[in-house]
Amino acid sequence: GGIITQTPKFLIGQEGQKLTLKCQQNFNHDTMYWYRQDSGKGLRLIYYSITENDLQKGDLSEGYDASREKKSSFSLTVTSAQKNEMAVFLCASSTTGVDTQYFGPGTRLLVL
Amino acid sequence: GQQVQQSPASLVLQEGENAELQCNFSSTATQLQWFYQRPGGSLVSLLYNPSGTKHTGRLTSTTVTKERRSSLHISSSQITDSGTYFCAMEQGQGGSAKLIFGEGTKLTVSS
Repeated sequence: GGIITQTPKFLIGQEGQKLTLKCQQNFNHDTMYWYRQDSGKGLRLIYYSITENDLQKGDLSEGYDASREKKSSFSLTVTSAQKNEMAVFLCASSTTGVDTQYFGPGTRLLVL
Repeated sequence: GQQVQQSPASLVLQEGENAELQCNFSSTATQLQWFYQRPGGSLVSLLYNPSGTKHTGRLTSTTVTKERRSSLHISSSQITDSGTYFCAMEQGQGGSAKLIFGEGTKLTVSS
């Protein structure tokens, strides 16, 4: 089996700050995803990547950047954090396309 | 409009009762998955069911593709089944395919 690790578990930042979230997977999966989940809501796709150095925008990409530095890692940057932006950011990976996705534990973001 | 709609939004049951969760999607889905999220936890894939009926343990999913709907039946619910259940459909094809999630059904099972 494999595991998806997300760091940090909790992230507190100031308004306007640039914040970076990291995700690592050891499944050797090709595709990785970043989702945002607001409290009590479903998941919305921010960015995904089908291979190293690839980047595809999801429905919620504005205000975010992403980087697939290598096959096992996918990072997400909040370019200018907005006050009262509280959400959980979930990273996922899959072999290809939408084969079963495996999710990380999430990073909880709070902006003061 | 919302591409994936789930109902009910929340469901409260007594232990031992059966649960029926519904998912309707706005376009023909070639892939449909059900996920479970325990409170404060991450998502776990339960069933991958683009069409027909699939079982795993106490879970049964039935997807009728041409009617753009899927259901998840949980038999003899247990307190540990409490959490939020999401359905997600595929959008796009091949390597660019991605999942569109519904807003979930929050299930609470009490003793």
